[in-house]
Amino acid sequence: DAGVTQSPTHLIKTRGQQVTLRCSPKSGHDTVSWYQQALGQGPQFIFQYYEEEERQRGNFPDRFSGHQFPNYSSELNVNALLLGDSALYLCASSPGQTSNEKLFFGSGTQLSVL
Amino acid sequence: DAKTTQPPSMDCAEGRAANLPCNHSTISGNEYVYWYRQIHSQGPQYIIHGLKNNETNEMASLIITEDRKSSTLILPHATLRDTAVYYCIVRVAQAAGNKLTFGGGTRVLVKP
Repeated sequence: DAGVTQSPTHLIKTRGQQVTLRCSPKSGHDTVSWYQQALGQGPQFIFQYYEEEERQRGNFPDRFSGHQFPNYSSELNVNALLLGDSALYLCASSPGQTSNEKLFFGSGTQLSVL
Repeated sequence: DAKTTQPPSMDCAEGRAANLPCNHSTISGNEYVYWYRQIHSQGPQYIIHGLKNNETNEMASLIITEDRKSSTLILPHATLRDTAVYYCIVRVAQAAGNKLTFGGGTRVLVKP
């Protein structure tokens, strides 16, 4: 079992650009959540996707958007990048939207905005 | 979800038990206590969770006080690989969505 896989592992962008990050959930999982982790802080919830729809959203602007595909994989898109968007972006998957199951996290994508 | 309070850091000797405290005095009756850890350059890893009874698995033990206002994660025989940031999280069972609210966590350094 490959677990949760994210790509790319590292990415460098400049202010104003757009970025797309990708996530493949753990086998058997149909729900994907995205988190942003700034340096030295705990992860912050961005949003969750289930059945190809955004189901819950954290306190992030509309520049952050996502998508879930029929195979349950997901993308996180960030438009008009700001320096403050530099962070580790984590994807987590689980078997179900409302289950009490533990989340499985990927190793993240480190985004640097210059 | 209830707020949690953890010490920012602690050291532990290799081979000894590590006891990580967490206060969650505003916890509701339907909220579980979860523990995750994050080793450098990796995503958070689930350790254990519980509602009110003590729990044990291959990684750790979770002791929840009778009033459920605090808990302790016990790593029975800490190794150097247990050096990580440990997060205590409380969340409602069967909540719509799997949002976890992470605080600052406890940075644990296991020393030889």
